Amino acid sequence: EAGVAQSPRYKIIEKRQSVAFWCNPISGHATLYWYQQILGQGPKLLIQFQNNGVVDDSQLPKDRFSAERLKGVDSTLKIQPAKLEDSAVYLCASSRGPTGAEKLFFGSGTQLSVL
Amino acid sequence: DQQVKQNSPSLSVQEGRISILNCDYTNSMFDYFLWYKKYPAEGPTFLISISSIKDKNEDGRFTVFLNKSAKHLSLHIVPSQPGDSAVYFCAASVGGNEKLTFGTGTRLTIIP
Repeated sequence: EAGVAQSPRYKIIEKRQSVAFWCNPISGHATLYWYQQILGQGPKLLIQFQNNGVVDDSQLPKDRFSAERLKGVDSTLKIQPAKLEDSAVYLCASSRGPTGAEKLFFGSGTQLSVL
Repeated sequence: DQQVKQNSPSLSVQEGRISILNCDYTNSMFDYFLWYKKYPAEGPTFLISISSIKDKNEDGRFTVFLNKSAKHLSLHIVPSQPGDSAVYFCAASVGGNEKLTFGTGTRLTIIP
């Protein structure tokens, strides 16, 4: 079974530029999450999708961050404009349903550096 | 507000000895706890979990202990092996759902 795929692996941009990350979850997984992991901290949930609908985006900085999950499969997370404090690893995770945390699978992440 | 805390950023243990990683939480609503292991350049992977109705859960070399009154849990690895060197995250949720609150992680280094 293929894992959660994320791209790009690394991204370096200057502040005020825009950037987008892509995630392809495990086939058949209805629930998809984006987490932000700042260096020295644990992953922090940004947004949860169930199929193509947003379940929880309460911790997403909506003035600059946006996310979508078209057709309930792939998802993109966008930052526009980026700030220095957005430097972090962005992790995508997926599962078959919203309950059963042991069944949550993470991708390798996209490491973003904002200069 | 850090609801899940791992106060030891790093830990070094001799191969074959016991590794003990600690985690504290403040939110009384948390009733499900998990440990994740993360290697460099990889995403976290699930290791072991425990429900608040239990005080111990064991899986091979890994045991998690939960002390609800102290809002404290610990992960024991016995015996420790070089492949256990990684960052370990404690995570908590309400009702076993997947909206996890993570701790800051402990980097475990096993010394051969």
